[in-house]
Amino acid sequence: AQSVAQPEDQVNVAEGNPLTVKCTYSVSGNPYLFWYVQYPNRGLQFLLKYITGDNLVKGSYGFEAEFNKSQTSFHLKKPSALVSDSALYFCAVRDIGSARQLTFGSGTQLTVLP
Amino acid sequence: NAGVTQTPKFQVLKTGQSMTLQCAQDMNHNSMYWYRQDPGMGLRLIYYSASEGTTDKGEVPNGYNVSRLNKREFSLRLESAAPSQTSVYFCASNGGQGYAEAFFGQGTRLTVV
Repeated sequence: AQSVAQPEDQVNVAEGNPLTVKCTYSVSGNPYLFWYVQYPNRGLQFLLKYITGDNLVKGSYGFEAEFNKSQTSFHLKKPSALVSDSALYFCAVRDIGSARQLTFGSGTQLTVLP
Repeated sequence: NAGVTQTPKFQVLKTGQSMTLQCAQDMNHNSMYWYRQDPGMGLRLIYYSASEGTTDKGEVPNGYNVSRLNKREFSLRLESAAPSQTSVYFCASNGGQGYAEAFFGQGTRLTVV
């Protein structure tokens, strides 16, 4: 089975400060990992993914994520938050060796305070 | 560049009514998906189609049927709507490879009263 945990329902950060949105996963094999963002009344937009190779993945809008196999984590980060980053963020996983489809976390609401 | 298009955007149904949610993609993707989004539960897979002519159940298929009409179109049907099916429904597509990111439609907000 595969699963994703986003331990924080809500993250608040001041504009200009670094932000982190946490994600841990569980798969039986090796993972493909994804981050998506959802703005109000919109569909999900792809931010970045980890397939293999470098543990630090860079994506859209200045976001990056670090894959940590020993901690089974894939935390989303940004060095300097913008008010416009306020949105709902989803982590997702797919087990490479499985026919299972993407499994999403429950989502983390990020609010960047001006 | 339309991407994934869903219709309708909003719908209110009475319990027991039926309806079909339509989805079309113009990216020549092999795989298409239907998800539902409920507060605090993330996105849950209802059905998917790995390629034209095939469909498979996801995590929460009960009460739903799907049709992969052709490579572009993948519809979701509620035969007898129930209040528990009140949700936001998203269609998505990707190239079918395990590492490929999915592209999502704008969603359909369905209320069953």
